[in-house]
Amino acid sequence: AQSVTQLGSHVSVSEGALVLLRCNYSSSVPPYLFWYVQYPNQGLQLLLKYTSAATLVKGINGFEAEFKKSETSFHLTKPSAHMSDAAEYFCAVINSNTGFQKLVFGTGTRLLVSP
Amino acid sequence: EAGVTQFPSHSVIEKGQTVTLRCDPISGHDNLYWYRRVMGKEIKFLLHFVKESKQDESGMPNNRFLAERTGGTYSTLKVQPAELEDSGVYFCASSQDLASGRAGEQFFGPGTRLTVL
Repeated sequence: AQSVTQLGSHVSVSEGALVLLRCNYSSSVPPYLFWYVQYPNQGLQLLLKYTSAATLVKGINGFEAEFKKSETSFHLTKPSAHMSDAAEYFCAVINSNTGFQKLVFGTGTRLLVSP
Repeated sequence: EAGVTQFPSHSVIEKGQTVTLRCDPISGHDNLYWYRRVMGKEIKFLLHFVKESKQDESGMPNNRFLAERTGGTYSTLKVQPAELEDSGVYFCASSQDLASGRAGEQFFGPGTRLTVL
């Protein structure tokens, strides 16, 4: 079975500070990994994805994530937070066991950005 | 290109009533998924359609939930009769066929917030 753990239901940073949202996964076969973001009253939007190519993945809005197999991690980072980054972020895993069809999500991390 | 749309955005019903949620996927997307997020918990998979066929309904909670996708376009999810624990946000997503090389990239709608009183 596959699973995702997101440490910290809430993360607070100041504008301009580094953003680090943690994600650890469990998968019996090589996974694909995703970060989604949900802004208020909107659907989930794909930020970035890892699909077994480069381990450092760059996404939209200046976010990036690094796949580390040895640590089973896929942490999301952004060098400098902006007020508009305040949202809820979800890490998700998918693999061949489900035909790459069933996303398994973490519980989400709400990012709060203060001026 | 229009995104995934869901209707209604909010629904408040009494326990025992029936509610039907609708999802319109992105045009041309054969794969359609339903997910649910109960308050404070993770988003969980409910089921997956390929065109009009159910491929995987392993996440459906019980037989009070019925999903359909007649004609392989829009989908409905009916809850009958609704119980208190059915409250949550129901998300729909769609994706292109695997052959397109974009396996796993699912596009989500804004969700329907269901409250059962």
